[in-house]
Amino acid sequence: EVQLVESGGGLVQPGGSLRLSCAASGFTFSSYSMNWVRQAPGKGLEWISYISTSSNTIYYADSVKGRFTISRDNAKNSLYLQMNSLRAEDTAVYYCARASILYSWGQGTLVTVSS
Amino acid sequence: DIQMTQSPSSLSASVGDRVTITCRASQGISDYLAWYQQKPGKVPKLLIYAASTLQSGVPSRFSGSGSETDFTLTISSLQPEDVATYYCQKYSSAPWTFGQGTKVEIK
Repeated sequence: EVQLVESGGGLVQPGGSLRLSCAASGFTFSSYSMNWVRQAPGKGLEWISYISTSSNTIYYADSVKGRFTISRDNAKNSLYLQMNSLRAEDTAVYYCARASILYSWGQGTLVTVSS
Repeated sequence: DIQMTQSPSSLSASVGDRVTITCRASQGISDYLAWYQQKPGKVPKLLIYAASTLQSGVPSRFSGSGSETDFTLTISSLQPEDVATYYCQKYSSAPWTFGQGTKVEIK
C-alpha cells in the first residue's frame, strides 16, 4: 500500500522557517517525481513545487520561489520542503503527492504562520 | 502561465441527477488534465487522468472528456457520497495549476 506521511508542521512566527518532511513507503520512491501542494483554510488547492526523480528538474510556484526549497533523499525514501521567510499567507495544510498526476497524497501537515 | 477556470463554482442537484462540471484552459494542454475529488475534511483523491482515464477503484458513474482547452467531468447519477469539491489540474508543464474548484451538494 502506498503511504505518504508528512511531518514538521506547526506554529511559526512571520519571517521564520520550517522544514517539512514526507516519508514514502509502498512504492519505489526513486522512480517517481514528487510534488508539494498546499491548501489554505477554506480555500482551494495550490501546487507549489515539483522535483524530478533524480532532483535534476525542480519547479516552484511564483508564490514561493526564492523562499522555499524542495529536495529529496532517495536512499531514505523521503521528500523535504525547506520553508524560509514565512508569511501569514503561507498558512495552509501542506500535502506531498506522488508524480505529476498526483496519484497519491499524504494526510497533510498544518503550517500556521502567526505572531 | 496557463490558467484553469472551472464552472460552476458550486451546484446543488438531486440524487440521481446527471451533473456536469467544466474546466477551461487558457491555452491548449492536449489531454494532460486530471480531476480530483475532495470530500469535506478529507485528502484529495485522484478520479480521472489523461482527461478521460478513470483511476482504478473509481465508480463508473464518473467520466471525463475533452482535449486542448475544454474539459468536462460528468457524474451520470449523483449519489449522496459524491458530495465534495472537485478540482481540475493541468500537468502538461509547470506550473501544475488547479482550477478553483466546484462544490457539489445534494438538493
